[in-house]
Amino acid sequence: EDQVTQSPEALRLQEGESSSLNCSYTVSGLRGLFWYRQDPGKGPEFLFTLYSAGEEKEKERLKATLTKKESFLHITAPKPEDSATYLCAVRPSSGGSNYKLTFGKGTLLTVNP
Amino acid sequence: KAGVTQTPRYLIKTRGQQVTLSCSPISGHRSVSWYQQTPGQGLQFLFEYFSETQRNKGNFPGRFSGRQFSNSRSEMNVSTLELGDSALYLCASSLEGPSRGNEQFFGPGTRLTVL
Repeated sequence: EDQVTQSPEALRLQEGESSSLNCSYTVSGLRGLFWYRQDPGKGPEFLFTLYSAGEEKEKERLKATLTKKESFLHITAPKPEDSATYLCAVRPSSGGSNYKLTFGKGTLLTVNP
Repeated sequence: KAGVTQTPRYLIKTRGQQVTLSCSPISGHRSVSWYQQTPGQGLQFLFEYFSETQRNKGNFPGRFSGRQFSNSRSEMNVSTLELGDSALYLCASSLEGPSRGNEQFFGPGTRLTVL
């Protein structure tokens, strides 16, 4: 069974204090790993897709990286508006289950001014 | 381009009742997936539809069902509601389910409260 574990569960940073969120996964063949951001009371907002180990993607203050067992979301010089829950999800490549995403429980990030 | 829309946004029902939730995908998107989000379990996959066919189903009881129409709009139905069905129900659409690059885009969700 596919599994996704995110750590830490919650992270509190000061504005400008860089850090990383971790997503460890177990999947029967990885078709894609996805990062989403979710604000309270809203649906998840797509951030990145990573497909193979060594791949990196960047968007503003966020950078996502991928290895064979985990992904990191690096946040450089965060601002209060980066406060949100960050979700990681995997899509397997094998069998009939490749049409669904398995999500981690998320990391709640709070950035204080 | 309009995003994924879901109606209603909020719903209050009592145990034993049934409910129907609606989702309109992004124009051109043919795959629609449904997820249940609760504080304890996080986001859990319910089912996925493509061209009016259910292609995959998560581990939920038969009380949860869905369908997709020819215009790609989708509905999900929950019968005989239980207190534990209280959750945020999210719909997501993508161009085509399994292919590389077909990210899922989520709607704002329907908040269901069962009393």
